Amino acid sequence: NAGVTQTPKFQVLKTGQSMTLQCAQDMNHNSMYWYRQDPGMGLRLIYYSASEGTTDKGEVPNGYNVSRLNKREFSLRLESAAPSQTSVYFCATKPSAGTGFGDEQFFGPGTRLTVL
Amino acid sequence: ILNVEQSPQSLHVQEGDSTNFTCSFPSSNFYALHWYRWETAKSPEALFVMTLNGDEKKKGRISATLNTKEGYSYLYIKGSQPEDSATYLCAVNDYKLSFGAGTTVTVRA
Repeated sequence: NAGVTQTPKFQVLKTGQSMTLQCAQDMNHNSMYWYRQDPGMGLRLIYYSASEGTTDKGEVPNGYNVSRLNKREFSLRLESAAPSQTSVYFCATKPSAGTGFGDEQFFGPGTRLTVL
Repeated sequence: ILNVEQSPQSLHVQEGDSTNFTCSFPSSNFYALHWYRWETAKSPEALFVMTLNGDEKKKGRISATLNTKEGYSYLYIKGSQPEDSATYLCAVNDYKLSFGAGTTVTVRA
């Protein structure tokens, strides 16, 4: 089992370019999350999907869109990249749908994105 | 989004010594507290999930306690080893986690 996979691992974009970060899981988990990690700020939630077919904004959604393509896949799209979006992006999953606050989250390996 | 604070931001420990650090969070609207261990160039991995006031969890030399009434959790490392060097994140949630900025532990041999 691969667990949580993310593609690409690294990406360099120019300001204004668009791209999609892909996340896939084979653990049959219901909830999926996108975080960004910036120095000194910990992990901040961008968007999440509490179950297949639903998505909701997190703490820092501006400049991003998401798609929960099916139960396995949750993508994050940057329509017009900005230097402020330079960060490391992590996808995470949780077994239960919605609430189920006792569940731990399982993280992917991360995507390091640089916007010039 | 909950305000979760961790202190200290970093600490250095001599191999064999024990250490502890703190996670503080709003005591109202509490559902669960998570501790994650995050090694450089890897993904965060869950250590503990605690839900009840007075909870104590242990995994090897690492343990954690939870006080939901006053809004804090302690993580303890007993007899620190170089492999304990990592950033330790705490997070508080309903079904979305609010993370602290982490405590980075460096164990010197």
